[in-house]
Amino acid sequence: DQQVKQNSPSLSVQEGRISILNCDYTNSMFDYFLWYKKYPAEGPTFLISISSIKDKNEDGRFTVFLNKSAKHLSLHIVPSQPGDSAVYFCAASDSGGYQKVTFGIGTKLQVIP
Amino acid sequence: ETGVTQTPRHLVMGMTNKKSLKCEQHLGHNAMYWYKQSAKKPLELMFVYNFKEQTENNSVPSRFSPECPNSSHLFLHLHTLQPEDSALYLCASSQGDGDTEAFFGQGTRLTVV
Repeated sequence: DQQVKQNSPSLSVQEGRISILNCDYTNSMFDYFLWYKKYPAEGPTFLISISSIKDKNEDGRFTVFLNKSAKHLSLHIVPSQPGDSAVYFCAASDSGGYQKVTFGIGTKLQVIP
Repeated sequence: ETGVTQTPRHLVMGMTNKKSLKCEQHLGHNAMYWYKQSAKKPLELMFVYNFKEQTENNSVPSRFSPECPNSSHLFLHLHTLQPEDSALYLCASSQGDGDTEAFFGQGTRLTVV
């Protein structure tokens, strides 16, 4: 039973448009959420995170939104660039620090020039 | 050299072979992890080491044997593997307990024949 769900295995977006990647979770104890990006033949790299005391965190072109009542978070990338094409993993932690992180299955984003 | 380095990048082994995966981190972190990524499945945490001590073993079969001789090095010894063990094995490190971000190596693509 997956506690972190990324229901869209893939997403295609035109360059310059907004990319929205979604993530749902079932464990109400999760209080810290992270997004990782992974290029082929590389390990995941940390992108952005958000604590449950916030509903939005922004870092340049990347913004993460958290809706605790819906147990839903999303990653917005605007404007999308071809270099953003990668697999994006949603992850969540339940106050145990990184060592209690649970990952989603990932969404493959393709940004079309 | 910086970051988390894994060797080899690719490994093909027979079911009767014994091999080892190596991970080295140059970040001064105190915690190291082994993950398994199979196709269409989330990242699965296998082992956690804190200050060289194993603190987590997520019901991993004994044919996988981790070793952490010091805080900078982590090994995964493999023996009598099965074809279903073919996957990408990722090493990661983080500052320690309570930290919520990890740094990953590039992974070892393992194929068991």
